[in-house]
Order: sequence, then structure tokens, then C-alpha cells
Amino acid sequence: EAGVAQSPRYKIIEKRQSVAFWCNPISGHATLYWYQQILGQGPKLLIQFQNNGVVDDSQLPKDRFSAERLKGVDSTLKIQPAKLEDSAVYLCASSLRVTQLLAKTAQFFGPGTRLTVL
Amino acid sequence: DQQVKQNSPSLSVQEGRISILNCDYTNSMFDYFLWYKKYPAEGPTFLISISSIKDKNEDGRFTVFLNKSAKHLSLHIVPSQPGDSAVYFCAASAASGTYKYIFGTGTRLKVLA
Repeated sequence: EAGVAQSPRYKIIEKRQSVAFWCNPISGHATLYWYQQILGQGPKLLIQFQNNGVVDDSQLPKDRFSAERLKGVDSTLKIQPAKLEDSAVYLCASSLRVTQLLAKTAQFFGPGTRLTVL
Repeated sequence: DQQVKQNSPSLSVQEGRISILNCDYTNSMFDYFLWYKKYPAEGPTFLISISSIKDKNEDGRFTVFLNKSAKHLSLHIVPSQPGDSAVYFCAASAASGTYKYIFGTGTRLKVLA
């Protein structure tokens, strides 16, 4: 079974530039997550999709970050304009649909995109 | 407010001995807990989980213990192997809402040969 795919793996940009990350989740996984992991910290959830709807985006800096999941499969995360503090690894994860009636399942992570903002 | 805490940033253990990684949480609504292992330049890999209706879950060399009254969980690795050297994250989610996972800051385990 193919895992979660992400691209690019590395990106270096200057502050105020824009950048986009792509994620393809595991086939059949309805829930998709984007996390930001700053060096020395644990992953922090930015946005969670259930199919193509947003479930939680409470920690997404909406003035500069945006994400979409068209057709409930692939997803893109965009930063515009980037700031120095956005330097981090951006992780995409997916899981089977999580509802109150279904047992919770673990999330499966992609390899991440390491973003450096100069 | 850090709801999930891993107070030991690093741990060194001799090969063959037991590794014990600890995690504390503050939110009594958390009912599902997971441990992830992360190698450099890779995403976290799911290791083991436990529901709040249990106090122990075992999978091969890995056992997770949950003490709800103390809001504490631990991961035991027996016997430890050099390939276990990685950063370990615990994560927790609540029984309601969006079921999002809150991660700790991680513990770097080094298993010495």
C-alpha cells in the first residue's frame, strides 16, 4: 500500500515570497491533516479536512496560510507571503474517517517538506 | 498551554536494556493516546496506541501503560535495540469535537551498542 506522498521535500525561499506544498493521502483515507513542526517542537495541527470539508482550522494563520482539498483527495497548502518564522517542516497526514461512531485510528504521515525562509 | 508534555528531551539506554519514555497530559477529556517514532528527514511513524478504557497495550517489544488518575502514560521498549534510536512523540485526542491530536515535544532516544 502506497503511503502519504508530499512534494517538494525541500524548499528555500526569501521572506515575502509565496510557496505551495502538495499532499496525496493514502487511498481511501477521508481525513487529511496539515501540521507544522518547528525545530525542537512537536507537530502542531494547522488544518484538518474530512473529505473536502474543513473540520478544524483554528490554528491556521489565515492572513497568510490557505489550504484546499479539491475532490476530497489531494491537498495543497500555500503560504503567501512567507515570514522568517514559517521556517519549519510541513507534514501531511491522513487517516480513515474519524467519527464518534467509529473507532479512532492512527494517522499516517508523509515525509514532510522542509521550508527555509531567508 | 502545553496539554501534552514530554519532560525528558533526551534519554540514553544500553542495548538490551529497557527504555521508558514518559508523557503527561492535562486535559481530562483525552481518551485516545498514541506514540510515534520519528527518524531524521522522515515523517513520524505510528508505533502503538491505547484507549482510555485500557491501562495497558502491548505490541511485540513495545508496551504502553496508561494511568488515568495521574494523567500519565509511558512507553516501554524491551529489549532496546540500536534501531530504536529516534525521536518519540506522544499524542492525545479528546472524545468529542474534531478528534484532533495534540502532540508532545518529543524525547530523543539513543540506544548505545
